[in-house]
Amino acid sequence: RKEVEQDPGPFNVPEGATVAFNCTYSNSASQSFFWYRQDCRKEPKLLMSVYSSGNEDGRFTAQLNRASQYISLLIRDSKLSDSATYLCAVKPPGGGNKLTFGTGTQLKVEL
Amino acid sequence: SQTIHQWPATLVQPVGSPLSLECTVEGTSNPNLYWYRQAAGRGLQLLFYSVGIGQISSEVPQNLSASRPQDRQFILSSKKLLLSDSGFYLCAWTPLTDRYGYTFGSGTRLTVV
Repeated sequence: RKEVEQDPGPFNVPEGATVAFNCTYSNSASQSFFWYRQDCRKEPKLLMSVYSSGNEDGRFTAQLNRASQYISLLIRDSKLSDSATYLCAVKPPGGGNKLTFGTGTQLKVEL
Repeated sequence: SQTIHQWPATLVQPVGSPLSLECTVEGTSNPNLYWYRQAAGRGLQLLFYSVGIGQISSEVPQNLSASRPQDRQFILSSKKLLLSDSGFYLCAWTPLTDRYGYTFGSGTRLTVV
């Protein structure tokens, strides 16, 4: 089983739709969780951290489910500009503050 | 504010040639530094990380090496490139404190021909 798994998509959604991605992780002792956005041929950019209590930033909501070992990202009122690949990242136990990334979920928002 | 610089942006190198990619961070001290590679259509693979000057940890055996000659400088090198070294190389930094995500440099797209 991969350390971090994501559905590669693509998720094709109309503008204004709500879309959700999940990301599962294998190590139950993982400590920190993040969502990144990566545009084509660009570097990943931190979208948001994922806290145990969940967190919201505008149209974006991230949640952590430790019991089932997954994190989720919900995007409401999708915009064309939301089209990108969304990577989840997990910090497993151990030193170096290393992150393990999923392979990403591609989102395409269409008119 | 902190910034991370990575260069060059694009590189085309022949097989067997050497490689040197440089990454520098400004506006912080004692950062953790990382080199990742993203092959076409694949995920991010951690190559090296460093928690201090001269301290390098290698995550995968390969044709590459890394060095950290100064606190905010991280260099990725190879003596002889292979075709399989092609990819998108990303440098990243994070404070020593946990719970912070990485900030990535703009990356170097390397094509070995």
